[in-house]
Amino acid sequence: DIVMTQTPLSLSVTPGQPASISCKSSQSLVHVDGNTYFYWYLQRPGQSPQLLIYEVSSRFSGVSDRFSGSGSGTDFTLKISRVEAEDVGVYYCMQGVDLPLTFGGGTKVEIK
Amino acid sequence: QVQLQQSGPGLVKPSQTLSLTCAISGDSVSSNSATWNWIRLSPSRGLEWLGRTYYRSKWYNNYAVSMKSRLTIKPDTSKNQFSLQLNSVTPEDTAVYYCARRFGLTTSEYLDVWGQGTAVTVSS
Repeated sequence: DIVMTQTPLSLSVTPGQPASISCKSSQSLVHVDGNTYFYWYLQRPGQSPQLLIYEVSSRFSGVSDRFSGSGSGTDFTLKISRVEAEDVGVYYCMQGVDLPLTFGGGTKVEIK
Repeated sequence: QVQLQQSGPGLVKPSQTLSLTCAISGDSVSSNSATWNWIRLSPSRGLEWLGRTYYRSKWYNNYAVSMKSRLTIKPDTSKNQFSLQLNSVTPEDTAVYYCARRFGLTTSEYLDVWGQGTAVTVSS
């Protein structure tokens, strides 16, 4: 199975300040079709996970442009340009290049 | 707008079978552009993909190796839903269970729609 390792475990951010989360995979997430099947999800308190970023850097429909994804191969980053109160929750990375789909352990983001 | 509505019990006794259903609206369980997945979240294991069912001229299933001997995921085309059956449950199966759609176009593919989650406790 592909292991996804997220850092940090938690973040406490002042509103309006940036935040960054890292995710590393145990093997390349580049598929033979050329796509990189890497995703970011946010699980707000009491809600189901919601898709933020797909295929490394594409924002899903309705997602704020404060969120951006970057990276390649095995190293990926999610950046929030200016954290707002609604960004609180647990962020997960996920790989979809191979079964089983696997997730990072999560990064809990809270507001200072 | 695609929605997934989960149903099933919140409490199951050890050694019994957990059964959950995920009703689909706005899409078809027989869609050639989607796979239908079960995922669970627990404090000890985090988010864990369990398996999926999908239709590409015929029905296919894939299961996590750790679950394969106990898990069955089945489509129900008459009700446009799919189900999870997990046999011989133990307290380690206590988790929030989610159904989710993985939608695929020719250029992109993603888990984009999730059910509301069902908190399941395995206890006598």
